[in-house]
Amino acid sequence: AQSVTQLGSHVSVSEGALVLLRCNYSSSVPPYLFWYVQYPNQGLQLLLKYTTGATLVKGINGFEAEFKKSETSFHLTKPSAHMSDAAEYFCAVGYNQGGKLIFGQGTELSVKP
Amino acid sequence: EAGVAQSPRYKIIEKRQSVAFWCNPISGHATLYWYQQILGQGPKLLIQFQNNGVVDDSQLPKDRFSAERLKGVDSTLKIQPAKLEDSAVYLCASSTDGLGVDGYTFGSGTRLTVV
Repeated sequence: AQSVTQLGSHVSVSEGALVLLRCNYSSSVPPYLFWYVQYPNQGLQLLLKYTTGATLVKGINGFEAEFKKSETSFHLTKPSAHMSDAAEYFCAVGYNQGGKLIFGQGTELSVKP
Repeated sequence: EAGVAQSPRYKIIEKRQSVAFWCNPISGHATLYWYQQILGQGPKLLIQFQNNGVVDDSQLPKDRFSAERLKGVDSTLKIQPAKLEDSAVYLCASSTDGLGVDGYTFGSGTRLTVV
């Protein structure tokens, strides 16, 4: 079965430090890859996506992610964390099979002043 | 562009009662999804509609959950009777295509607490 694994349910960084949130997927079929952010009591907001083409994709709020097929990974990074980045982050994969997205369990990012 | 609208935002019911949630997707979005997000977990697809037809309801507990999308626009999700384990946030999302290539637009969700 296709699955998504996010390493670390909680990640804590200092303001200004590098943010690295890890995501690995299991599939032999090239997927579509997404990162969503969820602020408290809100729905999920699309940060960035990879479908085809350039493997390094840039998203909103300074985030970017790189698709590495050989590692089946799609890690999310941001060079310098801001207090407003504190939220829950979800990695998701989709396939050309009707639009269903499979989500990871989420990583809660805390940013310390 | 208006977003995906959901109501109510919060609902508290006793077990064995029934409850219904409503969703209005973005205008023109043919595909509508209902996801269940249990605390501490990622969202899980319950049902996917393409216009007013069901594409995928394999994860929907059909003995207690039902959903419809009349006229291919608004949708309602119903639980009857509710169980304690149904406590979760129910998220509605819509997309322009049925492939998910562009990602979804999510509503703010309905937080259900079953006591």
